[in-house]
Amino acid sequence: VTQNPRYLITVTGKKLTVTCSQNMNHEYMSWYRQDPGMGLRLIYYSASEGTTDKGEVPNGYNVSRSTTEDFPLRLLSAAPSQTSVYFCASRRTVRNEQFFGPGTRLTVL
Amino acid sequence: QQQVKQSPQSLIVQKGGISIINCAYENTAFDYFPWYQQFPGKGPALLIAIRPDVSEKKEGRFTISFNKSAKQFSLHIMDSQPGDSATYFCAASTTGNQFYFGTGTSLTVIP
Repeated sequence: VTQNPRYLITVTGKKLTVTCSQNMNHEYMSWYRQDPGMGLRLIYYSASEGTTDKGEVPNGYNVSRSTTEDFPLRLLSAAPSQTSVYFCASRRTVRNEQFFGPGTRLTVL
Repeated sequence: QQQVKQSPQSLIVQKGGISIINCAYENTAFDYFPWYQQFPGKGPALLIAIRPDVSEKKEGRFTISFNKSAKQFSLHIMDSQPGDSATYFCAASTTGNQFYFGTGTSLTVIP
């Protein structure tokens, strides 16, 4: 699972996209955010190409799944509260091991 | 509301000792309980996982104990090594793909 960029600094109100790609032909893909003392929280997930569903903390984010391989995360109007480390993950089916990307550290000033 | 509660927040163990991390949940619909290991600057990686139809699963030095009636599960790391120093997360999920993670335990193994 690859993510880009790995580090990103932006300002409040900016629109941005973090890309995620996997070449394992996995059906399921997810986006999490990791904040100190809060573990990982699910933002959005996709069970297959063309479908997406909200997780625990979807507000302020947008995703799409136009191909099996790609699952970009969009911040529509960045806010300081979205400063976090973001992880993309994928797995073959609902029962299989989940593979995480290396993370994207986002700072919103 | 934290769906999966994890303790302790941090743990310091001597080399060769046993590290024990505990998790508790409320939702009886959870049917998959993985543990992840995360090193600084890296994404979490699956360490070991268990399903509620067994009470224990062992892989090398790592063991999950599962108590369905108490809705608790724990990770035991035997013969802890400095290379085990990392953050450990428990998680739980339902068939519908929603994963819920604990808040993490920072483990330090002292040589």
